[in-house]
Amino acid sequence: KAGVTQTPRYLIKTRGQQVTLSCSPISGHRSVSWYQQTPGQGLQFLFEYFSETQRNKGNFPGRFSGRQFSNSRSEMNVSTLELGDSALYLCASSLGAASTDTQYFGPGTRLTVL
Amino acid sequence: SQQGEEDPQALSIQEGENATMNCSYKTSINNLQWYRQNSGRGLVHLILIRSNEREKHSGRLRVTLDTSKKSSSLLITASRAADTASYFCATDEHGPDMRFGAGTRLTVKP
Repeated sequence: KAGVTQTPRYLIKTRGQQVTLSCSPISGHRSVSWYQQTPGQGLQFLFEYFSETQRNKGNFPGRFSGRQFSNSRSEMNVSTLELGDSALYLCASSLGAASTDTQYFGPGTRLTVL
Repeated sequence: SQQGEEDPQALSIQEGENATMNCSYKTSINNLQWYRQNSGRGLVHLILIRSNEREKHSGRLRVTLDTSKKSSSLLITASRAADTASYFCATDEHGPDMRFGAGTRLTVKP
């Protein structure tokens, strides 16, 4: 099976712009979670989707949003970018929504905001 | 918020030595998982331990869980240069979605 794929891998934007990141989960996986990783804050949970419904959301401003499609692919959007949004954005998919389900991570999208 | 705080933040050892890293959490969990991340890449699942388990093994990895102390430890025996990575614990302390700590950066010198 193909692993989790994320596109694009690298992105450079300027402050005030918006960005959309894409995540394709492993075939058959219905849950997708998004994380922001920065050197200072570690891995921060953004949100989780299961069967097109957002189940949980982390402590991020409303500029961060996401959605999941019927084929389980997910996108996250960040509007009005700020310098502090520069980070590695990771998505992870799992078969179900239980906490015992193993999460399979994609390689990440490295976002740089100038 | 982050949960599962790892300790130490960084660890440097020689090849062949054992590496121990710890993870603490604040309330109660159903399970705790350990992941590894090689430089700037996605995380890879290592091992899951449930709250009713005290110890689990997987190859050179040994994980213990002490729910009374709200802590877990990951032991890597006979470390290799290829073990150089960041190690994260994740818990379901805040519900079914796993929350990760800041990680322990392990460097194994050849």
